Amino acid sequence: EPEVTQTPSHQVTQMGQEVILRCVPISNHLYFYWYRQILGQKVEFLVSFYNNEISEKSEIFDDQFSVERPDGSNFTLKIRSTKLEDSAMYFCASSEAYSGSPYNEQFFGPGTRLTVL
Amino acid sequence: EDQVTQSPEALRLQEGESSSLNCSYTVSGLRGLFWYRQDPGKGPEFLFTLYSAGEEKEKERLKATLTKKESFLHITAPKPEDSATYLCAVQATGEYGNKLVFGAGTILRVKS
Repeated sequence: EPEVTQTPSHQVTQMGQEVILRCVPISNHLYFYWYRQILGQKVEFLVSFYNNEISEKSEIFDDQFSVERPDGSNFTLKIRSTKLEDSAMYFCASSEAYSGSPYNEQFFGPGTRLTVL
Repeated sequence: EDQVTQSPEALRLQEGESSSLNCSYTVSGLRGLFWYRQDPGKGPEFLFTLYSAGEEKEKERLKATLTKKESFLHITAPKPEDSATYLCAVQATGEYGNKLVFGAGTILRVKS
């Protein structure tokens, strides 16, 4: 069964360092997303991406964050200068189609746990 | 602002003891309501999508229903392996990016 994969599973970094989180969405999916979940809190939307551009972003997704689809299979989230409050579980998700269609379910990866020291 | 509230926060059941989880929502217009299961340290696992009031979907011991204000996840004769956090999320009309707005979840523990 196709699934979303993410690497690494755990990333430890020093405050101020850059990190890149990587995701491989399901192969026939066209829409890609990043969410995060701070320990004990809700899953929060960060950004959605379609046709090689950002389609929506939240207030959390400031200038320190960027996303890229560098090739036909990978989707990355970069945090330029990490802060302590960036420590969280980061989930990548993908969907086949746009909301309102029968195939817009978002399938999530296993997550990358980011720890900023 | 779109909001999702789930209750109860936690629920303990004996194996075989049926119950329901609630998800109430406030959105400008509902495009879809989603139920996910999340195991500790894992990503949300898709369960159901509901699009309109009156709609129902079933999968094994789980049944999801939708009204104009809330959704219920009914668990019939649960087993210990149903223990997990159940998340509800909504997708609103007028949003062009498909984002999901999640509730805080209900932590379900089923004891044998």
